[in-house]
Amino acid sequence: EAGVAQSPRYKIIEKRQSVAFWCNPISGHATLYWYQQILGQGPKLLIQFQNNGVVDDSQLPKDRFSAERLKGVDSTLKIQPAKLEDSAVYLCASSLRIAGGSSYNEQFFGPGTRLTVL
Amino acid sequence: AQKITQTQPGMFVQEKEAVTLDCTYDTSDPSYGLFWYKQPSSGEMIFLIYQGSYDQQNATEGRYSLNFQKARKSANLVISASQLGDSAMYFCAMREGDGGSYIPTFGRGTSLIVHP
Repeated sequence: EAGVAQSPRYKIIEKRQSVAFWCNPISGHATLYWYQQILGQGPKLLIQFQNNGVVDDSQLPKDRFSAERLKGVDSTLKIQPAKLEDSAVYLCASSLRIAGGSSYNEQFFGPGTRLTVL
Repeated sequence: AQKITQTQPGMFVQEKEAVTLDCTYDTSDPSYGLFWYKQPSSGEMIFLIYQGSYDQQNATEGRYSLNFQKARKSANLVISASQLGDSAMYFCAMREGDGGSYIPTFGRGTSLIVHP
């Protein structure tokens, strides 16, 4: 079974430029997550999709970040314009379904995209 | 307040010995799940073990076990018989709530180095 795919693996841009990341989840996984992981910290959830609908985007800086999941499969995360503090690894994950609280629901992570903003 | 606290920035252990990585959590929700992930230098997060708040037994997965002490709100990861390949960052995470969204919260991680 293929894992979560992400591209590009690395990206270097100047501040105020735009950048987009792509994620292809595991086939059949309804739920897709985007995380931001700043160096030295744990991942922080940016947005969560169930099929092609947004479940939670409360931690997404909507003035510059946007994400979509057309057709409920692939997803793109965009930053426009980028700031220095956006330098981080952007992780995509997928799971079969949403499960809350004590319900088991394993997330499978992709390799991440390392973004450097100069 | 931090929802997940990992107080050990770095840990060293000798190969074949056991090591415990600490994790404490903060929630008032009776329904929650606790996870441990491993992140090697390649960057991918690898799921290790899961404990639900209503689970009576401590979770075990091969060489990994979770020492779940609900009253103390701790969920320490125990790795038995450490191997060189266990060297990585380890993250504790929690997901709360049965209603609404289920935002998982991660700790800052513990760097584990296994030396021969």
